[in-house]
Amino acid sequence: GAGVSQTPSNKVTEKGKYVELRCDPISGHTALYWYRQSLGQGPEFLIYFQGTGAADDSGLPNDRFFAVRPEGSVSTLKIQRTERGDSAVYLCASRRDPGEGAPEAFFGQGTRLTVV
Amino acid sequence: AQSVSQHNHHVILSEAASLELGCNYSYGGTVNLFWYVQYPGQHLQLLLKYFSGDPLVKGIKGFEAEFIKSKFSFNLRKPSVQWSDTAEYFCAVIARSGGYNKLIFGAGTRLAVHP
Repeated sequence: GAGVSQTPSNKVTEKGKYVELRCDPISGHTALYWYRQSLGQGPEFLIYFQGTGAADDSGLPNDRFFAVRPEGSVSTLKIQRTERGDSAVYLCASRRDPGEGAPEAFFGQGTRLTVV
Repeated sequence: AQSVSQHNHHVILSEAASLELGCNYSYGGTVNLFWYVQYPGQHLQLLLKYFSGDPLVKGIKGFEAEFIKSKFSFNLRKPSVQWSDTAEYFCAVIARSGGYNKLIFGAGTRLAVHP
């Protein structure tokens, strides 16, 4: 596609429910990142995929958070037993195969998650 | 672990004033450095990046940044700001090591430019 697409753009859920957030990266980009951004903060790293595998998931806050990228393209961030503190904008970014030239990361518009 | 520090959380300037936003990172190896901008209601966009070579890099809209390796810094500058530069600015770093490409952001600087 032309850019990184994230769906839904807004999600309101009740505390304790399960949610899935989807990211459709730019076609051919092998690297995919998930971030969480709270009001007044910078993007907080959650997880980074290189192809299908999670190269680094050290930013996932706890075991309620999980992400997959089964075919090396679309990724889904899954949050179980949501809590009010999970409310934030969840950002996805993709980069072409990292190599020479420092390819930039392209960001989606984000999913605004509100847990009530 | 790598980290990025941005010194100013809020900056208020008048149009035509000069801008410098500080950014320091912690990582001893090879890095790629980026400045991203987020205009109100829009997604993050790249302003400029440093990969190698000339430590003074020029980006879009008259912005530039200087990589000073000895100071672990990558400060963003613009000689004369405009009202349309009102936005939030984020410094980011990738520590390059054996194909490892974790992209880490600073907390951001919110810039308000008054006419």
